[in-house]
Parts: sequence; structure tokens; C-alpha cells
Amino acid sequence: DIQMTQSPSSLSASVGDRVTITCRASQGIRNDLDWYQQKPGKAPKRLIYVASSLQSGVPSRFSGSGSGTEFTLTISSLQPEDFATYYCLQHSSYPWTFGQGTKVEIK
Amino acid sequence: QVQLVESGGGVVQPGMSLRLSCAASEFTFSSYAMHWVRQAPGKGLEWVAAISYDGNRQYYTDSVKGRFTISRDNSKNTLYLQMNSLTAEDTAMFYCARDRVDQTFDYWGQGTLVTVSS
Repeated sequence: DIQMTQSPSSLSASVGDRVTITCRASQGIRNDLDWYQQKPGKAPKRLIYVASSLQSGVPSRFSGSGSGTEFTLTISSLQPEDFATYYCLQHSSYPWTFGQGTKVEIK
Repeated sequence: QVQLVESGGGVVQPGMSLRLSCAASEFTFSSYAMHWVRQAPGKGLEWVAAISYDGNRQYYTDSVKGRFTISRDNSKNTLYLQMNSLTAEDTAMFYCARDRVDQTFDYWGQGTLVTVSS
């Protein structure tokens, strides 16, 4: 099974900060990786698919990069509505696996 | 607008069974693979099971193999998850989500809560 190691598990940041979250796969997954945002009590929302494609309707301050085993989600200028938990998901092979999540909190 | 509506959750005793449903609308259900994802209280997301668009292939995470069965009825636009031999570790919000090339998990349901407790 492919393990996804996501870091950091949490971070504190201020509005306007640049934030980077990383996911590492235990083996190569090409670009079969998505990023999701989840707010308390809500279903996850897809932000980025196939590593770097921006989901329609998602602000351009969100971007994704990477291929193979290392991937990043970047928020270029953190906004108040971006405080949430973020997850990566590999869908290269079954069983699909999520990263452990990164909780982005207000500094 | 694409809709996925889960139902069937509730409180059950350990060892008992439960069947979840996910009703799909406003898209061609029979063209999409479908998945179940769960989230234990205060924990992260866990992929649980998937079924191909035609129902011929099923995939499971190890912890539910032999206990859970994913199925679908394309004539009713409905996805199911039969859960047997439930334990406290199965307590979670269960979400369904659709999947096709470049549309992996672009829509999710609101979730249905399963609580396993004596």
C-alpha cells in the first residue's frame, strides 16, 4: 500500500502569509494526487486535482505542484476563509490513501 | 446541480449490521465509479471502498475487507455500503463521492453518521 506522509500536521499563520503544505508518497504516483480543504462539520472540498490543476471556482491563490513522490500545496496569501484542514489524496493505486491532514490556524 | 445524499446511519450495537445508501442525481450515475470515505470523530479522512461504474469491480481498505460490501443499483442511481460485524472503531461520518477521470471526488455528499456503541 502507498503511504502518504503529510507535513506539517498543523501550522499557525497570519492573514497574508504564504503557506506551504507537503505530501510525500512512499512510492511514485505520477501526478495522481489531489488536495482537499475541509471546514468543521462540512464535507471536504476539492481544491487541486492531478497535482497542479485548479478546481473550477477555487481562488487562484491556491496552487499545487509536484510529481512522483513529492507534492506541495501553496496558498500564496492566506485569507480568513482559508483557515481549515487540508488533506492530500493519492489515487494512483488501491487502496487509495489520504495524508494525515494539516490544520491551518490563525496566529 | 450534482447531488449525493447519504442515508442509513444511526446508533448500533457492536457486532450488528447497517446498510448505508447514497442517492445520486443530476449526473449520469452509471458513468462514474463511486466511493465511500469515512471520518472518525476528530480524526482524518479514510478511504473505505470503491466500485466501478458497472459494479463489476470492488476495492476495500484492509480494515473492512470481509465485513463491508459496496454495491450499486444503476437503475436507481443509488450506491450502497453493507456493513457487518461493526465495532467501535467503525464509528464515523461516512461520505460518498463520485469518481471519473479528472473528476475524482469533485462532489461529495453531506455524510451520514454511524455510531457503534453498547
